[in-house]
Amino acid sequence: DAGVTQSPTHLIKTRGQQVTLRCSPKSGHDTVSWYQQALGQGPQFIFQYYEEEERQRGNFPDRFSGHQFPNYSSELNVNALLLGDSALYLCASSFWTTNANEQFFGPGTRLTVL
Amino acid sequence: GEDVEQSLFLSVREGDSSVINCTYTDSSSTYLYWYKQEPGAGLQLLTYIFSNMDMKQDQRLTVLLNKKDKHLSLRIADTQTGDSAIYFCAENQGDDKIIFGKGTRLHILP
Repeated sequence: DAGVTQSPTHLIKTRGQQVTLRCSPKSGHDTVSWYQQALGQGPQFIFQYYEEEERQRGNFPDRFSGHQFPNYSSELNVNALLLGDSALYLCASSFWTTNANEQFFGPGTRLTVL
Repeated sequence: GEDVEQSLFLSVREGDSSVINCTYTDSSSTYLYWYKQEPGAGLQLLTYIFSNMDMKQDQRLTVLLNKKDKHLSLRIADTQTGDSAIYFCAENQGDDKIIFGKGTRLHILP
């Protein structure tokens, strides 16, 4: 049973470019959440997708957008990259009806913006 | 505010107990979590506690919750070298919005 997978593992972009990160949830999970973890910080909630819709959003600008597909996989898109967007981007999956919202995290995509 | 507060570092001798403390922000948070992150790895959910509980024990892990003071702690009994990691406290503020602290780096002394 595969856990949460993310691609790519590492990515280098330059300022102003756009990036797309991908996530496949754990088998049986239907909800995907995205987090940004800057160096030395805890993960910060970006947004959450369920039934192909964004349900919750953290304090991130509109440059950050996402999508969820019918197979529950998800993409995170960041436009007009800034140096400050350099971070580890974590995807977490869960099953919507689980009251405790036990989220299982992927290994992350490390994005470096030059 | 949205800050979950934790001390940044803790050093413990191997075999002793480790206690990691956390102060969360939202008294209506439903669940509180402890996650572990090892170098180069993703986050691993260690344990969680529902807000109407005071204590939860799971093998070497004991979670204590003081809802009045919004204080959460994680005790690791008989700390081993494999426990060396960063430990994150997190709260579910409702609608599954999870807020994390900055993490406590646990260092094990021989």
